[in-house]
Amino acid sequence: AQSVTQLGSHVSVSEGALVLLRCNYSSSVPPYLFWYVQYPNQGLQLLLKYTTGATLVKGINGFEAEFKKSETSFHLTKPSAHMSDAAEYFCAVQTTGNQFYFGTGTSLTVIP
Amino acid sequence: DSGVTQTPKHLITATGQRVTLRCSPRSGDLSVYWYQQSLDQGLQFLIQYYNGEERAKGNILERFSAQQFPDLHSELNLSSLELGDSALYFCASSVSAGQSGNTIYFGEGSWLTVV
Repeated sequence: AQSVTQLGSHVSVSEGALVLLRCNYSSSVPPYLFWYVQYPNQGLQLLLKYTTGATLVKGINGFEAEFKKSETSFHLTKPSAHMSDAAEYFCAVQTTGNQFYFGTGTSLTVIP
Repeated sequence: DSGVTQTPKHLITATGQRVTLRCSPRSGDLSVYWYQQSLDQGLQFLIQYYNGEERAKGNILERFSAQQFPDLHSELNLSSLELGDSALYFCASSVSAGQSGNTIYFGEGSWLTVV
């Protein structure tokens, strides 16, 4: 069975500090991995995804994530947090049946 | 704007009632997904349709049903509503059905409040 674990349901960082949101997956086959962001009262929008090729993936708004197969991880990072980054972040794995399984989400707070 | 349209945006109804949520996928997308988001359960996959056929089922209650029509729009029917059904219901769409790396695009959701 596929599953996604996001460590830390709430993360707080100071403006300008590094953002690190953790995601680990379990999958019996090489997965496709996604990060989505949800701003208040909005739907989820894609930040970035890993399918094949380069394991370091760059997304929108300065975010990037690295696929590490040996660690079954796909952590999301941003070098310098901005107030506008405050949102809920979801990691997801896409299965062979094109089903998407989402983690429980991490709420990011940016402290001025 | 993701291109996925959901109606209504907000809905308040009483326990025991039935409601229908509607979704129009992005132009060209054949696959439609329904998700339920609540504070205690997170984002739960309900059901997936591809080109009119049910493709996958998740944690969908028997009181809930869905369908995808020939024009590819989809409806989620929720019946015998309970207080615990209050949630944000998302529709999402993608081009294909298999594991392809295709992104799924989310609508802005339908807020359902059961009173």
